[in-house]
Amino acid sequence: GAVVSQHPSWVICKSGTSVKIECRSLDFQATTMFWYRQFPKQSLMLMATSNEGSKATYEQGVEKDKFLINHASLTLSTLTVTSAHPEDSSFYICSARGQGAEKLFFGSGTQLSVL
Amino acid sequence: GQQVMQIPQYQHVQEGEDFTTYCNSSTTLSNIQWYKQRPGGHPVFLIQLVKSGEVKKQKRLTFQFGEAKKNSSLHITATQTTDVGTYFCAGVPRGNFNKFYFGSGTKLNVKP
Repeated sequence: GAVVSQHPSWVICKSGTSVKIECRSLDFQATTMFWYRQFPKQSLMLMATSNEGSKATYEQGVEKDKFLINHASLTLSTLTVTSAHPEDSSFYICSARGQGAEKLFFGSGTQLSVL
Repeated sequence: GQQVMQIPQYQHVQEGEDFTTYCNSSTTLSNIQWYKQRPGGHPVFLIQLVKSGEVKKQKRLTFQFGEAKKNSSLHITATQTTDVGTYFCAGVPRGNFNKFYFGSGTKLNVKP
């Protein structure tokens, strides 16, 4: 089946630094990618939707200047958490969908800890 | 705004007992999908329901989509320890196929 690779799996950074998370579709072209945030024992909160070659659409309450999303190719989307603070610590997970496909394929997630 | 509510939050069952989780949307959906997330893993697609009143089965799992396309359920018959995990529904609203609104998930624990 389709595979989505997310990297890194976990990252620890100092407050004020920026962190980039990559999401790659390995064996299909992901026309749409989604970025979620998941708090412990809670659901997936959609942060933004990105289509290849266009600007991401952010959900209400998500700061687009803080969470920069780039979807430069059909196989790669990146999420950059800029000037990270401890409250940004969370589990971030991406998902991808191919053209005309119905299901989402999820990456393995990234646990971000900001000290 | 769009919301998908899911209950219960947790369910502990003895192996062999049945399990059901329910999702309810505040608005009519185009379709609804179900995902399973094993402990420490990522969500994996189980099924998609599209038609009003649709019922689909996968072995011991039965999925239903309500007549009004606002609610859905997942029923597992005779649970096994391999069923352990969190089950999420994801509602796709009408007119916007790029939106997936996830329910809060039901964490299932099965005691052997």
